[in-house]
Amino acid sequence: SYELTQPPSVSVSPGQTASITCSGDKLGDKYAHWYQQKPGQSPVLVIYQDRNRPSGIPERVSGSNSGNTATLTISGTQAMDEADYYCQAWDSSSVVFGGGTKLTVL
Amino acid sequence: EVQLLESGGGLVQPGGSLRLPCAASGFIFSSSAMNWVRQAPGKGLEWVSIISGSGDRTYYADSVKGRFTISRDNSKNTVFLKMNSLRAEDTAVYYCAKDIVEEPGPGSRMDVWGKGTTVTVSS
Repeated sequence: SYELTQPPSVSVSPGQTASITCSGDKLGDKYAHWYQQKPGQSPVLVIYQDRNRPSGIPERVSGSNSGNTATLTISGTQAMDEADYYCQAWDSSSVVFGGGTKLTVL
Repeated sequence: EVQLLESGGGLVQPGGSLRLPCAASGFIFSSSAMNWVRQAPGKGLEWVSIISGSGDRTYYADSVKGRFTISRDNSKNTVFLKMNSLRAEDTAVYYCAKDIVEEPGPGSRMDVWGKGTTVTVSS
């Protein structure tokens, strides 16, 4: 079965840029989507189809996808960005989630 | 406002069954595929199942295939997850999530999530 691999944790200083990667075989040939989940809350879609932002998601959140890696980038990171982030793709009639990355804003 | 409201969770013994309904409002229900996603305590998201807008296509994670059944009633704007032969490892918060597409496929992603319902499998 298809697997998506994310680093368990990423740390960033306030105001700096955070990058969270998601790796999978030929992931660049698929659409990658990203979700943010804060403690005690339901997930929220923050990036869809590699690089598109749903309404209400700030411009400092961006995405890319090429080769075997999709990347979620948060510029000017703020304390409110501290959360778990999950990538997601579709493969062989299944939705696949990455294991999640905890973003800590130090 | 688009809303999803799950219910039906609770404590069930191993080997038991449970049915989770998810009531939808605020959008054309039959135009959206619907997903169930679960999250075990302290763990990540795990996709469980998806059903097409018309209900004629369904897909399942290997971990639940043969035990869980997804269905929908478009006249009542409700999607269901019937869970049989429950195991301790099925313990999780179960989320209902609206898909942006009508037919499951590469573009599938979840733009609206419910608050979830908790299922605990224990003796």
